[in-house]
Amino acid sequence: GENVEQHPSTLSVQEGDSAVIKCTYSDSASNYFPWYKQELGKGPQLIIDIRSNVGEKKDQRIAVTLNKTAKHFSLHITETQPEDSAVYFCAARGGSGNTGKLIFGQGTTLQVKP
Amino acid sequence: DAGITQSPRHKVTETGTPVTLRCHQTENHRYMYWYRQDPGHGLRLIHYSYGVKDTDKGEVSDGYSVSRSKTEDFLLTLESATSSQTSVYFCAISENRVNSPLHFGNGTRLTVT
Repeated sequence: GENVEQHPSTLSVQEGDSAVIKCTYSDSASNYFPWYKQELGKGPQLIIDIRSNVGEKKDQRIAVTLNKTAKHFSLHITETQPEDSAVYFCAARGGSGNTGKLIFGQGTTLQVKP
Repeated sequence: DAGITQSPRHKVTETGTPVTLRCHQTENHRYMYWYRQDPGHGLRLIHYSYGVKDTDKGEVSDGYSVSRSKTEDFLLTLESATSSQTSVYFCAISENRVNSPLHFGNGTRLTVT
């Protein structure tokens, strides 16, 4: 089955700097890759997603890149702000079947220092 | 929160007792999921449903059962709770399309003593 590895587990940056979180996946048939942000005491919230027919997607300060050949994808946050501090999860959805199962990475705790 | 309500939000129970967690959605989405979240493991799929009375196992289904008698409700049951089932449980929903995103509830924190 699908396996997703996420790095780093913790990341500390200065406000205004960029942050990059990387994930690798094992199933070459995976075709959907979302990123979630989780704040304390809440459920994960979708912040951006990318499908396998696209190499890059941007939404204001957030961007995601996908390298299908290498089977990895990354989240880029530019001009970080203290409110970006949270736990971030990547995920991959396998290409087989139509059940929509998502496999998640282990999470990255991002701290943005003012 | 995409019209998802999880209950209870917190529960403490003793080893060996049965526990049922409830997920209620108002979005009429076909797919519903139960995940557990533990430090160092991210979110792991327990069971999911692709329609009323249609359910299947996820990657960590041992010790758990589910039921879906109505589109809006998805129940997760721990038949005999163990300390290893202490976790935060999240319900998620998604639309009919294969590549539609998951939307999560705010979780149930379960402690088994």
